[in-house]
Parts: sequence; structure tokens; C-alpha cells
Amino acid sequence: DAGVIQSPRHEVTEMGQEVTLRCKPISGHNSLFWYRQTMMRGLELLIYFNNNVPIDDSGMPEDRFSAKMPNASFSTLKIQPSEPRDSAVYFCASSPTGPGPQHFGDGTRLSIL
Amino acid sequence: SQQGEEDPQALSIQEGENATMNCSYKTSINNLQWYRQNSGRGLVHLILIRSNEREKHSGRLRVTLDTSKKSSSLLITASRAADTASYFCAPNAGNNRKLIWGLGTSLAVNP
Repeated sequence: DAGVIQSPRHEVTEMGQEVTLRCKPISGHNSLFWYRQTMMRGLELLIYFNNNVPIDDSGMPEDRFSAKMPNASFSTLKIQPSEPRDSAVYFCASSPTGPGPQHFGDGTRLSIL
Repeated sequence: SQQGEEDPQALSIQEGENATMNCSYKTSINNLQWYRQNSGRGLVHLILIRSNEREKHSGRLRVTLDTSKKSSSLLITASRAADTASYFCAPNAGNNRKLIWGLGTSLAVNP
């Protein structure tokens, strides 16, 4: 079975540019999570969706960040405009019904110059 | 905060030895999960222990849970170089799917 698929794997861009990260969850999973990981702050939950509906976006740092899930097989995380402090690894994870295990993609390593 | 806090932050052992990592949390939980992260990769779920369970095994992994002390431990027996990774505990406090993460334990297993 295919796991969670994220793209791109690496992104380097200049500050001020728009960045779009993409995620395809595991088929049949109805929850999707976006995380950000840095050395200083560890793994932070940004937002999660249940049945394509945003449930908790309290971790989204500011209005420059937005996330969408137009259907059960696709989600995006957008940063506009990007800033150097947004540099991190961004992970997407999905899980089936219930508070069970989450399945992670291999992340997008984002560098904002 | 539901945050899981792992201890120690870093651990270095020789192949064949056992590795023990501890986790503390602050609220009542539904379950507690352990994950592994290899360098440059996403987290991989290892084991889930429910609040009414005290011990669980999976291969060379043994997890204990003490809800009265709000703590858990992960034991890896007969460690291998391939076990080198960061290990995270993630308490789940309710019916939602939200997990709050600590900074992990970095385990190095030397050949």
C-alpha cells in the first residue's frame, strides 16, 4: 500500500515568495494532520482535518499560513508571504477513525532564504 | 499541557545492550503512543498502549504505562545499529485525534 505522499521533498525559495506544500493521505483515512518540525521547538501540530473539515487550527502560526483539504485524497499547506523563520521540515500525517496511530509522510524540507 | 516529555534527551549504547527511554505527561490519557524517526524521514508508529493497560510487547519492544505516575517507558532489548533513531512518546488525552509531542530521545547504537 502507498503511504502518505508529500511533495515536494525539498523547497528552497526567497523570502516573500508563496510556498505550497502538498499531501496525499492514505486511502480510507479520514483524519489528516499538518506538522512543523524544528530543532528548537520539536514537532508542532499546525492543523488537522476530519472528513475534510478543519477541526483545530490553533497551531497555525499566523495569517500567512493557510491549509485546505478540497477532497479526501488531497491537502495543501500554503505560506504567503514566506519568511526565513518558516524554514523547517513540514510533515503530513493521516489516520483512520479514532485516536489511533498516525502515518507520516517523509516531509518537505523548506528553506526560505 | 498534554505534552509528552522524553528522558533522556540523548542515549548512546553498544550493540546488544538494552535501551530504556522514559516519558512523562501531565493530564489523563486515552492512550499513549511511541514513534521512531530515522534521520531525514517521517515518524513511524511503533506501539500504542491504552490507559487500562500496564504493559505491552512487540518484538524487541516493551512498553509500560503507569497512569498513577503519568509516565511510560520504552525498552528496546538486544539493540542493533539499525535502532539508531529518535524516539517520541505522544499522549492522547481525549476522543480527538490530536497528539502533542515532546522533543524525543536521540538513541545511538554503536556497532
